Amino acid sequence: DGGITQSPKYLFRKEGQNVTLSCEQNLNHDAMYWYRQDPGQGLRLIYYSQIVNDFQKGDIAEGYSVSREKKESFPLTVTSAQKNPTAFYLCASSMGTGWGTEAFFGQGTRLTVV
Amino acid sequence: AQSVTQPDIHITVSEGASLELRCNYSYGATPYLFWYVQSPGQGLQLLLKYFSGDTLVQGIKGFEAEFKRSQSSFNLRKPSVHWSDAAEYFCAVGANNAGNMLTFGGGTRLMVKP
Repeated sequence: DGGITQSPKYLFRKEGQNVTLSCEQNLNHDAMYWYRQDPGQGLRLIYYSQIVNDFQKGDIAEGYSVSREKKESFPLTVTSAQKNPTAFYLCASSMGTGWGTEAFFGQGTRLTVV
Repeated sequence: AQSVTQPDIHITVSEGASLELRCNYSYGATPYLFWYVQSPGQGLQLLLKYFSGDTLVQGIKGFEAEFKRSQSSFNLRKPSVHWSDAAEYFCAVGANNAGNMLTFGGGTRLMVKP
């Protein structure tokens, strides 16, 4: 079945460490996105990529980095510069960047700083 | 820039009762509108979407939504709620912008009383 796979489901990080969240899709979608979800705040866009080897900052990119070396993969690194990284992270993809293309979501990764 | 407001953070309804979740958007042109549902600890699933045409759209799981341009609203409705509908619901607006990014509302958490 086609879909988006995020791993791990739960991740614990010590303060000062970088961690990388995985996102893989087999939907042959061009565009991929990372959102952060905090209680009561909905989803906020961290980074997005419209094509391989290209990505753009979203609304809250500070303290995060991404890469898009393959169409299927869009990993997110939460760096030590991110002041409050504990959150639920959602990866999404869409067929293209055409008007109104719906996004498909992975099951999320819950990151906790200990 | 577009924005989405979901005025109700929490709603509780009795099983079998009707449901209406409110969504107001701000966008300068005709928007693309979406409703997603999220079960606890899971990703988002698309319920329905509006692009153009008939302002009353049908979705999965018995949900429908009505686009009202004059009120800038896209409220979600269901005639009879089931206990399995308890979840968080997000309204989103998509615009004709680079990256096809969705802007999400803060979400409404639905609780269903037996």
